[in-house]
Amino acid sequence: DTGVSQNPRHKITKRGQNVTFRCDPISEHNRLYWYRQTLGQGPEFLTYFQNEAQLEKSRLLSDRFSAERPKGSFSTLEIQRTEQGDSAMYLCASSLGQGDEQFFGPGTRLTVL
Amino acid sequence: GENVEQHPSTLSVQEGDSAVIKCTYSDSASNYFPWYKQELGKRPQLIIDIRSNVGEKKDQRIAVTLNKTAKHFSLHITETQPEDSAVYFCAVPSPPGSNTGKLIFGQGTTLQVKP
Repeated sequence: DTGVSQNPRHKITKRGQNVTFRCDPISEHNRLYWYRQTLGQGPEFLTYFQNEAQLEKSRLLSDRFSAERPKGSFSTLEIQRTEQGDSAMYLCASSLGQGDEQFFGPGTRLTVL
Repeated sequence: GENVEQHPSTLSVQEGDSAVIKCTYSDSASNYFPWYKQELGKRPQLIIDIRSNVGEKKDQRIAVTLNKTAKHFSLHITETQPEDSAVYFCAVPSPPGSNTGKLIFGQGTTLQVKP
């Protein structure tokens, strides 16, 4: 499969725990995006990378959230001290470059109990 | 920042009928307008997009029209089929005027095509 992949697909955690998600973009795609989607809503932008550089972060991304793309390939999104309001689908997308189509991964569904 | 409004939120049509979904945006500098389809439990997938130098684009049963003066763009699906049933999202890049960076999505339209 040469599409965008995400792991895990589902994560159930207790409030206060830390979680980490991984995204593997399409190879050669320079841009990588993280979005969050709650039920009945469109995806909301969280952050994006151009190669290994994190170029923009949304105000939605509190200091409990951190994202990395250390070698300009895969990316990780970590949420510390999870809260019930963090429950959502976390989507990763990648694109070849500026102005190109964003291809989405299948998402990681997070449930915080 | 850019604001995107999408209507209707739900749409039910008979198989074979046409469906139209409309999005309005706030910044006249916007110049790229994609439409995504998301089936239940699956990832959003781009189905068609248009850039501001054209007013209409077609791909088989799907078309997108753009009215830059009125700041709205619409998705048209003709001869609808049950497999068209899904949630459709419009999006606009932000910051406006650039084909780059984040997408601001509309609220989504749930399309149901009845056999």
